[in-house]
Parts: sequence; structure tokens; C-alpha cells
Amino acid sequence: SQQGEEDPQALSIQEGENATMNCSYKTSINNLQWYRQNSGRGLVHLILIRSNEREKHSGRLRVTLDTSKKSSSLLITASRAADTASYFCATPTQGGSEKLVFGKGTKLTVNP
Amino acid sequence: GAGVSQTPSNKVTEKGKYVELRCDPISGHTALYWYRQSLGQGPEFLIYFQGTGAADDSGLPNDRFFAVRPEGSVSTLKIQRTERGDSAVYLCASSLEGQGRVSTEAFFGQGTRLTVV
Repeated sequence: SQQGEEDPQALSIQEGENATMNCSYKTSINNLQWYRQNSGRGLVHLILIRSNEREKHSGRLRVTLDTSKKSSSLLITASRAADTASYFCATPTQGGSEKLVFGKGTKLTVNP
Repeated sequence: GAGVSQTPSNKVTEKGKYVELRCDPISGHTALYWYRQSLGQGPEFLIYFQGTGAADDSGLPNDRFFAVRPEGSVSTLKIQRTERGDSAVYLCASSLEGQGRVSTEAFFGQGTRLTVV
């Protein structure tokens, strides 16, 4: 079963605009991670936010976490055509299991 | 090594055949994961190794799937009597320690695209 659910499923914007993707999850977490995937192959880790953090920045990326609402958002500012990819949130399960559980992803298209 | 390496990158096999997919994790990473990803879906967990042992194999769909990591480094995912429904991208990831830790990120390989015809 999938823990995280991204919203929207697909997003199309123009270069220079900001892109916001949301993720909701179901259970308590230690951290939440965002990954990027180009062309359905390897995933690249973008950013990890711990459960006691509310916001984190990395370059043009800004991630927020609201544990009371069990939700997170990923903001990409000043988007570029090269940002076109699928973006996934993932959370580690608790209770002894060590696996990451992924959502279905948001497919972002940035038009030049 | 520079990253997680998976071979082959593509594999086409006939229904009913046996296949092996290899994963070479980042040196020193004790945790290794296999995921399967179908078109339009997120990666689905298959199995997690901590060292040489399979700590969690709850994601393996049935007994045709098996994975080993005999020396705590390279891992092989083995699929017997392949079926068309096994067609997917198989992703391997490694991390310094398990994902249950607060700050551990996973590093993924480029995956093996398996096509069963």
C-alpha cells in the first residue's frame, strides 16, 4: 500500500513560474523525503525534512512539513525546462520496518 | 563506487524463463532495498537487507521472487518462471543505515527495465 499521495498528479507550467506539489501521508513519521525521477529510471534524492522541522530550503527548493495535518509541500521556484520530471514524496515506515513508502508522484512539465 | 550500479539496464525475456538482476550498492552502505515500479506508479517496496540478512521481505509478491546478498554488498534479485505481469523497472537503493533512522537518505540506481514477452 502507498503511504504518501501527491497532488496534483500532473502539473504543466511555463519556465520562470513556481511549481508547488503537495503530499499527504497516513501514519507518524521520523522524516519525509522528496525524490525526482527523469524518464522513469533512477530516483534522485532532493531533500529530507525531519519530523521536528517545519521548513527546509535547498537552492530553488523549499519543503514544508505539517505533522498535524500529515502533509508536506515541495515548492520549486523560478522553474526551468530541466526541472521537467516526476516528483515523489516518500516516508519511512515505523514500528521496526525500514522501508521507504512512495506515493504515485506528480508529473511536472515546464514549458520553455 | 560513484553510485549504485544496476545491471543489466534492460532485459527482455520470454515468459517462463528465469532472470537475475544485479545491484552493486555504494561502498560501505549496510542497507540495501529493492523496489519495483510499473508505468505511472510510484516505486513499490520488495525487500530490504541489513547487511547479509533480509530484514523485511514483506513486499515480495510471491515465491517466484527471491533475493540474496551473501557478502553484505552486491545483491541479486532472482525471478523464476517469469510472467508478463512481472514487466516493470526494478530499482535498487542503498543507504548508510536503515530508513527508520531520522536522517538517512537512500541512493537509487538507474534501474533494470524488465520486459517479459
